[in-house]
Amino acid sequence: DAEITQSPRHKITETGRQVTLACHQTWNHNNMFWYRQDLGHGLRLIHYSYGVQDTNKGEVSDGYSVSRSNTEDLPLTLESAASSQTSVYFCASSEGRTGSSEQYFGPGTRLTVT
Amino acid sequence: AQSVAQPEDQVNVAEGNPLTVKCTYSVSGNPYLFWYVQYPNRGLQFLLKYITGDNLVKGSYGFEAEFNKSQTSFHLKKPSALVSDSALYFCAVRDGGYSTLTFGKGTMLLVSP
Repeated sequence: DAEITQSPRHKITETGRQVTLACHQTWNHNNMFWYRQDLGHGLRLIHYSYGVQDTNKGEVSDGYSVSRSNTEDLPLTLESAASSQTSVYFCASSEGRTGSSEQYFGPGTRLTVT
Repeated sequence: AQSVAQPEDQVNVAEGNPLTVKCTYSVSGNPYLFWYVQYPNRGLQFLLKYITGDNLVKGSYGFEAEFNKSQTSFHLKKPSALVSDSALYFCAVRDGGYSTLTFGKGTMLLVSP
């Protein structure tokens, strides 16, 4: 069965370190998204991609970067981790360009920055 | 700009009773509306969506939602709640066309036995 996986599931890092969160999907979807989930804020979009070599900034992109070198993967990098980036991170994917398709979510990565 | 509001942080209902989780939205064009559910320590799961057509949309696990254009609402409903329905529910909207999805802050549904 097709799926979307994230790794690691839990990560503790120190302030100032670079961290990369992996996202891999086997749906063969063109569109991939990264969100963060924080209490009182719901889900907020960090970065998204509509295809290979395409990346776009979302609502809360400062301090984060992504790259899309193939269809299956969209890694999220925190250039210099900050305590404000302690959160749960979700990757999602969807097909098509019409906007009518639902997104499929990964299980999430809980990141703690100390 | 598009936005979505879920006015209740928590909804409490007894098992067997009907449930409603409220959602209102704001878009400049035609809305595409979605409901997702999140169980503890899990990712979001798609429940149902409204794109066009019949205002009453049926989805997974017996849930349904009614699109009301005049009230700009898309409330989630179920005729008879189960304890296993207890979870966090998110409403989401995008403007017709290809904008990104905007999520509400979520409503915790607690169904008591």
